[in-house]
Amino acid sequence: DTAVSQTPKYLVTQMGNDKSIKCEQNLGHDTMYWYKQDSKKFLKIMFSYNNKELIINETVPNRFSPKSPDKAHLNLHINSLELGDSAVYFCASSRGTRADNEQFFGPGTRLTVL
Amino acid sequence: AQSVTQPDIHITVSEGASLELRCNYSYGATPYLFWYVQSPGQGLQLLLKYFSGDTLVQGIKGFEAEFKRSQSSFNLRKPSVHWSDAAEYFCAVGTGGGNKLTFGTGTQLKVEL
Repeated sequence: DTAVSQTPKYLVTQMGNDKSIKCEQNLGHDTMYWYKQDSKKFLKIMFSYNNKELIINETVPNRFSPKSPDKAHLNLHINSLELGDSAVYFCASSRGTRADNEQFFGPGTRLTVL
Repeated sequence: AQSVTQPDIHITVSEGASLELRCNYSYGATPYLFWYVQSPGQGLQLLLKYFSGDTLVQGIKGFEAEFKRSQSSFNLRKPSVHWSDAAEYFCAVGTGGGNKLTFGTGTQLKVEL
């Protein structure tokens, strides 16, 4: 099936740990994104990559480091996890960076920091 | 900077009743507007979008939305709600410079049987 997939679906970890979330899309899209959804369901963009190049970085703490090894993958590594990082993280992709390019979302990764 | 306001945090309707979810946006240029739905534990699915042209747009699952520039609104409607429509609904405005989506805070829809 064509889709945006994320692993893992759930991630429970202790404060101070380092963790990674992986995202893959097989839609042939050039642009990928990470969004954070907090406990109040508010969705905010974190990063965007186009052809493996970072194009949006929304004042996210530098403990968060996205990496795009190729156009189909965008991973998110988080260092020194804090309680406030607990959220659902969504990956998305789109054909390009135009505002009329629909974004397709993955199922989300629920991160819980204890 | 762009922003989106969804005034209703929760809405409850009876199955078969009509539905309108409100969305107001703030953006200096012509907006690209979207409605997404998020079912419990799921990702977001696009319901419909408006870029230009006819201000009444049709989407999936029987939803429609009307763009009113004078009111800076893009309200979502459905004539007859089904129990399976219970979900969280997000309005968003898209901008160039990377296709950044700015979301509203969402409206949770409950459907009474």
